[in-house]
Amino acid sequence: DSGVTQTPKHLITATGQRVTLRCSPRSGDLSVYWYQQSLDQGLQFLIQYYNGEERAKGNILERFSAQQFPDLHSELNLSSLELGDSALYFCASSDGQGGNEQYFGPGTRLTVT
Amino acid sequence: AQSVTQPDIHITVSEGASLELRCNYSYGATPYLFWYVQSPGQGLQLLLKYFSGDTLVQGIKGFEAEFKRSQSSFNLRKPSVHWSDAAEYFCAVAPVNDYKLSFGAGTTVTVRA
Repeated sequence: DSGVTQTPKHLITATGQRVTLRCSPRSGDLSVYWYQQSLDQGLQFLIQYYNGEERAKGNILERFSAQQFPDLHSELNLSSLELGDSALYFCASSDGQGGNEQYFGPGTRLTVT
Repeated sequence: AQSVTQPDIHITVSEGASLELRCNYSYGATPYLFWYVQSPGQGLQLLLKYFSGDTLVQGIKGFEAEFKRSQSSFNLRKPSVHWSDAAEYFCAVAPVNDYKLSFGAGTTVTVRA
């Protein structure tokens, strides 16, 4: 158990819909990262927050957004969903210092039908 | 362009045999280097990491990795595999003072009895 929790575990929704994925980091970690794992793209970094502020952005679509709240949990919002958004979404956390040892949650499997 | 390459998509090894997984990276300077393992239906677990210093790094579950600057490689090894080592293994890198991980495509390890 990495100490990172993600909810829900599975999500099935239809195209065009909007969903919210939730992540709680390990106790004491200030940084949260979101990754997408799909068969065709592999594991890709989406976005990072540090203590409530966006720190880095990767290959995140404009339809996707994220935020980190004062209690340090984070939410990833996916809107206007397309079939190609079906993937495993991981959250990871770290203390945010250089060296970047990230601890991953179990993931949320999103299926768009 | 920066990249992480895992040349082997799939490796089959007998239980008790040795295992070596290859990872090559292409970055301007030596990045931070990591190996993660993903068991079926699970999140990613950090096996080991290299930041600097001794180029032979020991990790959990009996794994070790060797950093070779001249070859831009960070290969993962285990002297004797167990059936429980069947999983997908990812090499990941993060540029120094950057925070986002870039992952290789992964190597699936099958262990036969």
